[in-house]
Amino acid sequence: AQSVTQLDSQVPVFEEAPVELRCNYSSSVSVYLFWYVQYPNQGLQLLLKYLSGSTLVKGINGFEAEFNKSQTSFHLRKPSVHISDTAEYFCAVSQRGYQKVTFGIGTKLQVIP
Amino acid sequence: DAGITQSPRYKITETGRQVTLMCHQTWSHSYMFWYRQDLGHGLRLIYYSAAADITDKGEVPDGYVVSRSKTENFPLTLESATRSQTSVYFCASRETEINTGELFFGEGSRLTVL
Repeated sequence: AQSVTQLDSQVPVFEEAPVELRCNYSSSVSVYLFWYVQYPNQGLQLLLKYLSGSTLVKGINGFEAEFNKSQTSFHLRKPSVHISDTAEYFCAVSQRGYQKVTFGIGTKLQVIP
Repeated sequence: DAGITQSPRYKITETGRQVTLMCHQTWSHSYMFWYRQDLGHGLRLIYYSAAADITDKGEVPDGYVVSRSKTENFPLTLESATRSQTSVYFCASRETEINTGELFFGEGSRLTVL
């Protein structure tokens, strides 16, 4: 079985400060990892994904994430946030040969002017 | 415009009534999914479909029925709505059968069951 834990339900951060949103996963086999973003009253959009290869993955809007197999983590980072980054962020995991994608409970990022 | 659309966006109904949430995509993606989003639970998979006339249960299928007679449509029916089904429902699609692919989401349908 696969599962995802997002450790922080809300993260407030000042504008132009760096941010890290934490995600840990559990799986007995190789995984594929994703970060999605949800802006208010909208559906989810893909930010970035890790399938294989380089453990540092760059996504849209200046976000990046690092896959750490030993720590089973896939934390999302941005060096300098903007007001427009205020949204909810979901970490997700899937497994090879397994159709379902499992989502975490989400982390609300609040950027403070 | 191409994309995935859900209707209605907002719905209020009463306990025991039947409700159908519609989902339509214009990409001809093979895979379609229904998720519900609840505070503290994130997104949970209700049902998914690999192609027309092929559907399968997700994590929380009880109380829901789906059908897929055409590739582009994937309606979700609550046969007898309960208050616990108050939620935001998201339809999503994926082009490939490989689960590395991006999920494309609709804007959601907010359902309130009184």
